[in-house]
Amino acid sequence: AQSVTQLDSHVSVSEGTPVLLRCNYSSSYSPSLFWYVQHPNKGLQLLLKYTSAATLVKGINGFEAEFKKSETSFHLTKPSAHMSDAAEYFCVVSSTTGTASKLTFGTGTRLQVTL
Amino acid sequence: SAVISQKPSRDICQRGTSLTIQCQVDSQVTMMFWYRQQPGQSLTLIATANQGSEATYESGFVIDKFPISRPNLTFSTLTVSNMSPEDSSIYLCSVLKIAGDGYNEQFFGPGTRLTVL
Repeated sequence: AQSVTQLDSHVSVSEGTPVLLRCNYSSSYSPSLFWYVQHPNKGLQLLLKYTSAATLVKGINGFEAEFKKSETSFHLTKPSAHMSDAAEYFCVVSSTTGTASKLTFGTGTRLQVTL
Repeated sequence: SAVISQKPSRDICQRGTSLTIQCQVDSQVTMMFWYRQQPGQSLTLIATANQGSEATYESGFVIDKFPISRPNLTFSTLTVSNMSPEDSSIYLCSVLKIAGDGYNEQFFGPGTRLTVL
């Protein structure tokens, strides 16, 4: 069984300040982990993924995430928020590395960026 | 990557009717999936669309309510039958492809926003 917990349903930051979106996972197997972003009225876009290579994963738009097995966490960070980062972010787990045939989505974190 | 289109992009339907959503991919894929995203909620997998055989449904979803077709490796349809207001959701098509790093990735279509009155 696998599950994902996104610890914050809503995060608000000022433009130019760091972003931290928290995610904890549970998986019976070595997991693959993903962060997807969903802008209003748009489809899902993959930000980054962890597939048992480097534990620090860099994604698009300046985002990165660190896989910490001891803490079962995969938090998403960005050094400086931009207005265009305002969106819904989903942490996702798949139980089998390299064959992500069934994804389990977290409940999402809505990121608000203010001036 | 994969480019996925869905038709219609949105629709407003009356209760008791049915709507068929189409999903077209720009290349052949082995695995296609249908997800539901209810208002303000996360994505839930409805079923895996299998080419040449019946779809595989997740717990809580049944073929009579959500019949799925997969006639070839680039196309699938999802029908929402006998609709009620509780079916108002965004329905997303997704495909699995091998990315440049050799690992699989799931790509998502833009979604179909369904409102049932």
